[in-house]
Amino acid sequence: KNQVEQSPQSLIILEGKNCTLQCNYTVSPFSNLRWYKQDTGRGPVSLTIMTFSENTKSNGRYTATLDADTKQSSLHITASQLSDSASYICVVSRARAGTALIFGKGTTLSVSS
Amino acid sequence: EPEVTQTPSHQVTQMGQEVILRCVPISNHLYFYWYRQILGQKVEFLVSFYNNEISEKSEIFDDQFSVERPDGSNFTLKIRSTKLEDSAMYFCASRAGTGDGNIQYFGAGTRLSVL
Repeated sequence: KNQVEQSPQSLIILEGKNCTLQCNYTVSPFSNLRWYKQDTGRGPVSLTIMTFSENTKSNGRYTATLDADTKQSSLHITASQLSDSASYICVVSRARAGTALIFGKGTTLSVSS
Repeated sequence: EPEVTQTPSHQVTQMGQEVILRCVPISNHLYFYWYRQILGQKVEFLVSFYNNEISEKSEIFDDQFSVERPDGSNFTLKIRSTKLEDSAMYFCASRAGTGDGNIQYFGAGTRLSVL
């Protein structure tokens, strides 16, 4: 069954600290993996997208990694800011027409001062 | 920056009523999607639409649901006879299709409350 699992479910960190979020998937055939940021009451916003051949991709303070062999990904946030408080969702796309996305439940990150 | 626009932001309806959720995708995008997110749960795929027809749909998208692109700009999701369990946040997304890194851009969502 095509599934995306994320951990931890929630995380609280102090402003300025780093954190790493985890994602495991069993989606097949695999096309690409994305990390989205979703603020409360808003639609998801794309942070990174990686294909099978990419191991790491950065977007500012966000760095995503992908191990296609073990089907794991991580999102590392450096020097967290209060505005980083949101849900971070790992999303996997299958390699077929229509390209429906399969979402994880997300990790809720709270950054406190 | 271009964005996907959804209206209304919140729709309240009685069980059994028909609702139409509206979306204006990013201009020149070719692929369109509807997703839903029940409170506290993950985002779920409903349907994708390309070249004026459904290209893929999930098991959630049964005969009570339909999509339309009536005028080349709007993309609508119709629920014929709403049920309590249809209460959710509905997101529209669009994708350019070529040279875009396969990124889907999401609207802010419509919160549907079925009473």
